[in-house]
Amino acid sequence: KQEVTQIPAALSVPEGENLVLNCSFTDSAIYNLQWFRQDPGKGLTSLLLIQSSQREQTSGRLNASLDKSSGRSTLYIAASQPGDSATYLCAVRPRGGGADGLTFGKGTHLIIQP
Amino acid sequence: DARVTQTPRHKVTEMGQEVTMRCQPILGHNTVFWYRQTMMQGLELLAYFRNRAPLDDSGMPKDRFSAEMPDATLATLKIQPSEPRDSAVYFCASGPSSYEQYFGPGTRLTVT
Repeated sequence: KQEVTQIPAALSVPEGENLVLNCSFTDSAIYNLQWFRQDPGKGLTSLLLIQSSQREQTSGRLNASLDKSSGRSTLYIAASQPGDSATYLCAVRPRGGGADGLTFGKGTHLIIQP
Repeated sequence: DARVTQTPRHKVTEMGQEVTMRCQPILGHNTVFWYRQTMMQGLELLAYFRNRAPLDDSGMPKDRFSAEMPDATLATLKIQPSEPRDSAVYFCASGPSSYEQYFGPGTRLTVT
């Protein structure tokens, strides 16, 4: 059974710092990996999706990397801002694509101090 | 701006009552998912549908939970009878294919 772990569970840093969120998964037979953002009381917003054949994806100040063989992904946030405060979730989709659901980590709760 | 909608957004009910949560997927999406989020377990997949057909509901407690898609514009998740341990946020997500899922805002269920 696939298990997804996110470290750290919580992180508080001053505004302007670059930071890295970590995600690991136990079964490397994945179709793709997705990073989401969740604001309190809200749904999930997709940030980046990395196919299993890709090594990284970038969107603005966000960069996600994937090392499938080692079962790891990182989300890099450059020049953090208070508006980045949220919970960040990593999720993997099993190989076989299809309509298989995502397996989520429990998230990293991020606070950016003004 | 196409979005997944869910109703109700909040529901408080007493133990033993039936609860029905509804989801309207994004028009044209053929895949629908139901997830449950709790502090202890995080987000867990309950069920998913493709072209309205259930493909997997192994994540649901079968004795009390049921998921259906009466038509392409409506997905429902029912709990009967509800229990306090069912208190959670229930998310619906839809996707145009197997590649991505777009999440609704969730239904926050409290069972007393």
